[in-house]
Amino acid sequence: SQQGQEDPQALSIQEGENATMNCSYKTSINNLQWYRQNSGRGLVHLILIRSNEREKHSGRLRVTLDTSKKSSSLLITASRAADTASYFCATVLSGSRLTFGEGTQLTVNP
Amino acid sequence: GAVVSQHPSRVICKSGTSVKIECRSLDFQATTMFWYRQFPKQSLMLMATSNEGSKATYEQGVEKDKFLINHASLTLSTLTVTSAHPEDSSFYICSATRTGQDGYTFGSGTRLTVV
Repeated sequence: SQQGQEDPQALSIQEGENATMNCSYKTSINNLQWYRQNSGRGLVHLILIRSNEREKHSGRLRVTLDTSKKSSSLLITASRAADTASYFCATVLSGSRLTFGEGTQLTVNP
Repeated sequence: GAVVSQHPSRVICKSGTSVKIECRSLDFQATTMFWYRQFPKQSLMLMATSNEGSKATYEQGVEKDKFLINHASLTLSTLTVTSAHPEDSSFYICSATRTGQDGYTFGSGTRLTVV
């Protein structure tokens, strides 16, 4: 079964707008990771946030983590058409097993 | 940065045949490699974890005799889909990590079509 659940499942916005995706997970974690996947391609690691961190930035990406609510959010600011992709949160279970949420399909319209 | 090469990127095979997919870490030694399966518009489902020199650990519901995994060296893991059926058609992705590293590096995936 999937460790995480994401919402929304699909998000369509205009270029320049911000996109926010949310992720909830079930078990205790050491860190939470966000990945991006272009259609039919492999995954690209975006950002990792540790359990003792509440917020992290990387370029136009901002990730928050609330361990009390077992949730995380990914904000993409000033979105571009090239940001169109699926975004997944992932957490590590025992044995270093990385498991993924359901994902959010983001479409940024030019 | 760490690079994982996965081959082939696409393969079409006939029902009943076997297909081998390779996953190589090019510039680091991968102590652990993982194999995932992804159906269209769905998330990645972890199939198995392979550690170099030992038997793979399969997730619940994954048939180990059908999906043979070999991790003979610190840079190579292979997934063989045996006696493939059309329902095995899917996108298979590998990833690799090494001891002490938080990040995971993914291959570019293999689109398997069984006809």
